[in-house]
Amino acid sequence: NAGVTQTPKFRILKIGQSMTLQCTQDMNHNYMYWYRQDPGMGLKLIYYSVGAGITDKGEVPNGYNVSRSTTEDFPLRLELAAPSQTSVYFCASSYSTGGYNEQFFGPGTRLTVL
Amino acid sequence: DQQVKQNSPSLSVQEGRISILNCDYTNSMFDYFLWYKKYPAEGPTFLISISSIKDKNEDGRFTVFLNKSAKHLSLHIVPSQPGDSAVYFCAAIPAGGTSYGKLTFGQGTILTVHP
Repeated sequence: NAGVTQTPKFRILKIGQSMTLQCTQDMNHNYMYWYRQDPGMGLKLIYYSVGAGITDKGEVPNGYNVSRSTTEDFPLRLELAAPSQTSVYFCASSYSTGGYNEQFFGPGTRLTVL
Repeated sequence: DQQVKQNSPSLSVQEGRISILNCDYTNSMFDYFLWYKKYPAEGPTFLISISSIKDKNEDGRFTVFLNKSAKHLSLHIVPSQPGDSAVYFCAAIPAGGTSYGKLTFGQGTILTVHP
């Protein structure tokens, strides 16, 4: 199993440009998440999904959009990039069976907006 | 408002000694607590967890202690090894069926273990 994969690893955007961060998991997890990590800070939840076709906002959703058409994929869309979106973005997934389950994280996408 | 706080940005210990990483939380609805470890240029990886109904959980060299009345938890690593050098994040999940496993993270503590 590859686990959670993210592309690209690095990206530089100009202000106002758009891009999609890709996330794929091969563990058949229902739950998927997007986090961002700013320097010296913990990870903050942007959006999450509890299954294909179901998404909801996290703590910091402004400026982002998501979709979940399949169990495997959970792309994150930035429509009008701003310098405040310079961050490292992590995708994660977990089982949705009863109880609390650990989240498995991808390696991250480092995004710089200039 | 930071609901999960790790007040020590960094910790330095000698190989073989104990490392103690601390975490405080303010939300009494948190029901489950996890520690994640993160190496540079990698995603966080799960280390150990504890439910609010317990006060201790042990896994090899790693032990997590929970003091609910003080809203405090700590991670003990004994003995510390150079390979333990990483950023450690404390995270919490609230109770309730609509939590969906959403994690609230602390800021992280950089642990450096010197040979």
